[in-house]
Amino acid sequence: QSVLTQPPSVSAAPGQKVTISCSGSSSNIGPNYVSWYQHLPGTAPKLLIYENNKRPSGIPDRFSGSKSGTSATLGITGLQTGDEADYYCGTWDHSLNNGRVFGGGTKLTVL
Amino acid sequence: QVQLQESGPGLVKPSETLSLTCSVSGVSINSYYWSWIRQPPGKGLEWIGYIHHSGDTNSNPSLRSRLTMSLDTSKNQLSLNLRSVTPADTALYHCVRDISRPGDFYYFDYWGQGALVTVSS
Repeated sequence: QSVLTQPPSVSAAPGQKVTISCSGSSSNIGPNYVSWYQHLPGTAPKLLIYENNKRPSGIPDRFSGSKSGTSATLGITGLQTGDEADYYCGTWDHSLNNGRVFGGGTKLTVL
Repeated sequence: QVQLQESGPGLVKPSETLSLTCSVSGVSINSYYWSWIRQPPGKGLEWIGYIHHSGDTNSNPSLRSRLTMSLDTSKNQLSLNLRSVTPADTALYHCVRDISRPGDFYYFDYWGQGALVTVSS
């Protein structure tokens, strides 16, 4: 049972847009930054979004992040088959002794 | 360029100790926080714990009683020991650079590829 709640799966056609939600609480997402990670099979997870809405160097602007209250959202536009992966949100939780927490992950299928 | 590489036995017997090492290149481990994160087969990411050379450490309460993390600054390596393992500890174990300041966590930016550890007799 993950501390943050994500949908298990989302799907969309190539070229379309998809959003992935991440729901938390006043002890984790509410007061803290959210980050997002892309995990392709057989590779190390990659940082996609940090501090709610910032993109590391090399991450295309097709990827975006936002936060409102105790929820965060990852958006991906212009979907490509190479975007098929598992996506995780992460932050930390004051009620868990400031431990880091993740969502359960969302499997993106590009149809 | 920052690189992290985990190493250790791929098979550990139940009740024994899982030991992993993470070799870091491209940056001094003294300059950052470092976390261990694992992913059981077919499941999501689970944070294990973090360590900083200042002595600041923290860990997942569910693992804390069995866990030891350490840094070897002479080798620029971090280590993980998890005692009394069971099959539930079977997972891909990643070492990760943890971008934090005391009391504040920001994000994980560099990840190792991971070391698969299977707990089985």
